[in-house]
Amino acid sequence: QKEVEQDPGPLSVPEGAIVSLNCTYSNSAFQYFMWYRQYSRKGPELLMYTYSSGNKEDGRFTAQVDKSSKYISLFIRDSQPSDSATYLCAMRLSGTYKYIFGTGTRLKVLA
Amino acid sequence: AAGVIQSPRHLIKEKRETATLKCYPIPRHDTVYWYQQGPGQDPQFLISFYEKMQSDKGSIPDRFSAQQFSDYHSELNMSSLELGDSALYFCASSSGTGLAGETQYFGPGTRLLVL
Repeated sequence: QKEVEQDPGPLSVPEGAIVSLNCTYSNSAFQYFMWYRQYSRKGPELLMYTYSSGNKEDGRFTAQVDKSSKYISLFIRDSQPSDSATYLCAMRLSGTYKYIFGTGTRLKVLA
Repeated sequence: AAGVIQSPRHLIKEKRETATLKCYPIPRHDTVYWYQQGPGQDPQFLISFYEKMQSDKGSIPDRFSAQQFSDYHSELNMSSLELGDSALYFCASSSGTGLAGETQYFGPGTRLLVL
């Protein structure tokens, strides 16, 4: 079993919809949680970064971390066709350097 | 703003050949990370360097080696290439040791194809 689980999708939504993307993890020691967006054949682009539990909002994006449930979410409001990409969650243990990534969820926002 | 630069962007090699991938971190970033992403897979951590010293090691094959130079750029050397090494290789950089939660910023990747 992978340390970080993420539904690969694809997830298709109409333009303007609220999108919910999720990851679950098994290691309760993860402290840092990130969401990256990756367009085809491009490098991952950081969207949100959260330390420990709680919510964080940035424009149309909201990240939530629920450490008690080992569950993180990314919400995208008023989704746009330009949001169509693969969304990767990533996590890191305190005291280590490497990120553990989820497999990514492919999102398609239909105009 | 300046981003992570990787070269070459595309590389085609034959089995048993050697390849060298280069990474130039964001200015003033002193930590470099290498990841390998196979088709349809998540990025897998290979190795990282802080201040020219190896700081962490992941699933990097013994055929691969890497180093960080005095100007903080890094090179990933891959020898005896195998078909399974075909992947997208990402470099990321951060400022600081990376242990305090500094965010990793990714480059565009080098796409390696081994024939």
